[in-house]
Amino acid sequence: GAVVSQHPSRVICKSGTSVKIECRSLDFQATTMFWYRQFPKKSLMLMATSNEGSKATYEQGVEKDKFLINHASLTLSTLTVTSAHPEDSSFYICSASIDRSELFFGSGTQLSVL
Amino acid sequence: KQEVTQIPAALSVPEGENLVLNCSFTDSAIYNLQWFRQDPGKGLTSLLLIQSSQREQTSGRLNASLDKSSGRSTLYIAASQPGDSATYLCAVIPNTGFQKLVFGTGTRLLVSP
Repeated sequence: GAVVSQHPSRVICKSGTSVKIECRSLDFQATTMFWYRQFPKKSLMLMATSNEGSKATYEQGVEKDKFLINHASLTLSTLTVTSAHPEDSSFYICSASIDRSELFFGSGTQLSVL
Repeated sequence: KQEVTQIPAALSVPEGENLVLNCSFTDSAIYNLQWFRQDPGKGLTSLLLIQSSQREQTSGRLNASLDKSSGRSTLYIAASQPGDSATYLCAVIPNTGFQKLVFGTGTRLLVSP
């Protein structure tokens, strides 16, 4: 299957700092990528749809200014958690699709805000 | 609004048993259904993808079936092994929300040696 690389896998930061998470499609081009958030023992919640060359589409209740998404190329999307606070601590996962059917996921990023 | 439910929420079995995980969805207008595996603190690994026109898919010891009209899918795991221990998620793509997967609640599986 296709490979989606996500970095970093784990980050610990102080409250008020910004954290950038990268999601790369290694062996295919992805015009659309997706960002999810997962709380412990819960299922994934779609945060936003990242579109190459245009603005991201955010799900209801997700703050655009808090979670900045940039999809500057067909192989890279970034999620920046701005001015992170402890309540932003969570597991973030990205995904991408080759042919608009099957999705492939990154390995996830565990964010801990102190 | 599509809702996806998985039963049981947790399952503990001895090694070697065959087992069935259940997934039900409320809106039968789906594009496809995908089963994933998630290990603790890790991302999702795609196990099987079933197109809406298909009834089942097989990969090794795994077999997934789909009954769109009744809104059900099952994941059958044959001869379970301790390495199968993980959380299993089913997800559907509705026809209306083309790439917006709706995830199930997950089944946490523990296979004991």
